[in-house]
Amino acid sequence: QVQLQESGPGLVKPSQTLSLTCTVSGGSIRSGDYFWSWIRQPPGEGLEWIGYIYYTGTAYSNPSLNSRVTISLDTSNNQFSLKLSSVTAADTAVYYCVRLHCSRGSCSRGGSFDFWGQGTLVTVSS
Amino acid sequence: EIVLTQSPATLSLSPGERATLSCRASQSVSDYLAWFQQKPGQAPRLLIYDASNRATGIPARFSGSGSGTDFTLTISSLEPEDFAVYYCQQRSNWVTFGQGTKVEIK
Repeated sequence: QVQLQESGPGLVKPSQTLSLTCTVSGGSIRSGDYFWSWIRQPPGEGLEWIGYIYYTGTAYSNPSLNSRVTISLDTSNNQFSLKLSSVTAADTAVYYCVRLHCSRGSCSRGGSFDFWGQGTLVTVSS
Repeated sequence: EIVLTQSPATLSLSPGERATLSCRASQSVSDYLAWFQQKPGQAPRLLIYDASNRATGIPARFSGSGSGTDFTLTISSLEPEDFAVYYCQQRSNWVTFGQGTKVEIK
């Protein structure tokens, strides 16, 4: 059974960079069957996709956040990471790391977000 | 960006009743649509993927249908543990989520 666990600071100051790491156990992030993803949820609100990364290191991010997002892989530790720069109070949210399971022989569309971390609350405040 | 609109925002029903939740896309997403259930303080749980396929371990009372722009999640007979918020999500063009439907006890 795959498990994902987020880690990182729970408090970040405005204008600084939010940094989170997701540790994956029970499966390798070097598989071509998955994208490794970040999704967030502001308190009391809905879900927002931040971005994901493939085992090749190719990353994609939400166009609305694109210039502020960096997603990277650490295959030696079976981890992937998120950096979100220039944060404001609007970036306060629970951040989830999630596995996207590709389907129908392709990772270009579709698939399913099938395994989620428990989530970590990051608050942006001075 | 593909916008997903869920209706109703809130559904008030009693245990044993049938729940019908709607998700409409601003343009066709083919059948690249999933449904999630979320309870307070928990991560979302995948229920349905590719519009109509139940995820592993999901009870048969949950079913999904639709293609193109109109989709439905049906819970045939509500159990006490089904009262939660439900989200639809597409990955036809990037990834977007609907705003959620809360299923509450009447």
